[in-house]
Amino acid sequence: ILNVEQSPQSLHVQEGDSTNFTCSFPSSNFYALHWYRWETAKSPEALFVMTLNGDEKKKGRISATLNTKEGYSYLYIKGSQPEDSATYLCAQETSGSRLTFGEGTQLTVNP
Amino acid sequence: DTGVSQNPRHKITKRGQNVTFRCDPISEHNRLYWYRQTLGQGPEFLTYFQNEAQLEKSRLLSDRFSAERPKGSFSTLEIQRTEQGDSAMYLCASSLAGVGDTIYFGEGSWLTVV
Repeated sequence: ILNVEQSPQSLHVQEGDSTNFTCSFPSSNFYALHWYRWETAKSPEALFVMTLNGDEKKKGRISATLNTKEGYSYLYIKGSQPEDSATYLCAQETSGSRLTFGEGTQLTVNP
Repeated sequence: DTGVSQNPRHKITKRGQNVTFRCDPISEHNRLYWYRQTLGQGPEFLTYFQNEAQLEKSRLLSDRFSAERPKGSFSTLEIQRTEQGDSAMYLCASSLAGVGDTIYFGEGSWLTVV
């Protein structure tokens, strides 16, 4: 993997469903993995920063895991709500705190 | 709330004109970054500052682009002789100087070149 890749590109779920997204990244030159939630007309909101293989972070109904050896991270949302609708971006941090972003997963939660 | 502040939020300009965007980072953040985002893509790194020193510039930053951070506080991004391909959202972010520190973004400045 040469670039940061996210899947799926978009996702529609019903309120109450649990869902997850994948972020794949090059395992070389890895410093940290960042997750953001970006709603239209707002600034990207920092969700998690993970640095160690096996890291797991949780914030309310949202959690994330990190596997640096195989180069992937999962973001989970439990019991999706309409206010979770947003674009979720992951970014690999390389030297100099430079972030390389994926193209994002656009989540729509239907009431 | 003293988050990252950017202005103007929207700018429409004619091709060939110069435009300048300003970013006020979170106070005491040593690092300041500029990113650009076009539709359907994730943000792309342009440049970053450690205090007032510009430490890295992307190949995306052509000679028409210049960024400054005088006194290590606010920053400006100027685009000279704008082209239609410059139409994008320009995002500013700031962080403390450390690996794995949270990087906080502003709301962005939309540029439309007509």
